[in-house]
Amino acid sequence: DIQMTQSPSTLSASVGDRVTISCRASQTINYYLAWYQQKPGTAPKLLIHKASTLQSGVPSRFSGSGSGTQFTLTINSLQPDDFATYYCQQYKIYPVTFGQGTKLEIK
Amino acid sequence: QVQLHESGPGLVKPSETLSLTCTVSGDSIGFYYWSWIRQSPGKGLEWIGFVYFSGSTRYNPSLESRVSMSVDTSKNQFSLKMRSVTAADTAVYYCAREVGITTPDAFDIWGRGTMITVSS
Repeated sequence: DIQMTQSPSTLSASVGDRVTISCRASQTINYYLAWYQQKPGTAPKLLIHKASTLQSGVPSRFSGSGSGTQFTLTINSLQPDDFATYYCQQYKIYPVTFGQGTKLEIK
Repeated sequence: QVQLHESGPGLVKPSETLSLTCTVSGDSIGFYYWSWIRQSPGKGLEWIGFVYFSGSTRYNPSLESRVSMSVDTSKNQFSLKMRSVTAADTAVYYCAREVGITTPDAFDIWGRGTMITVSS
């Protein structure tokens, strides 16, 4: 299986900050990478797929980059609604696998 | 607007079979790949497998020996059965739709999830 490793595990930031979350794949996955946001008690919400394609309805302050094995999720000008846990997912090969999550907390 | 809704027993005894159903509303179940994904504190998000509207399936090798999935297009539903459950199968179970008409892919529509506890 492809292992997905996210860093950091926890990130503290303030409203208005710019933050980046990293995701590394144990082998190349080209651009077959998605990012999700999850809030307590709810299902994950797709933010970005194909590494950098913004899902319909997702604010433009979210962006994704990377290819191969290294990927980044950037959130510009953090809003109160953005404090949540973020996951990456590879879908290059089966079984699809997820990162362990990055919890974005209010500083 | 497509919506997914999981239904299941909530509590399952060890060694028994877990059965879950996902009902799709707002669109036809056709031409998409439909997955089951679970989430537990210990193992995070884990993909269990998918079923296509034609009935074809693919499972996570780690669970393949205990899992089966099926689809009922007349009811716009698909289902999961997991045999010989243990406490390690305690998790929130989600049904989800893949983004495109090819697989594998990201998941754009998720159900709200159903908590399954395995306990005697």
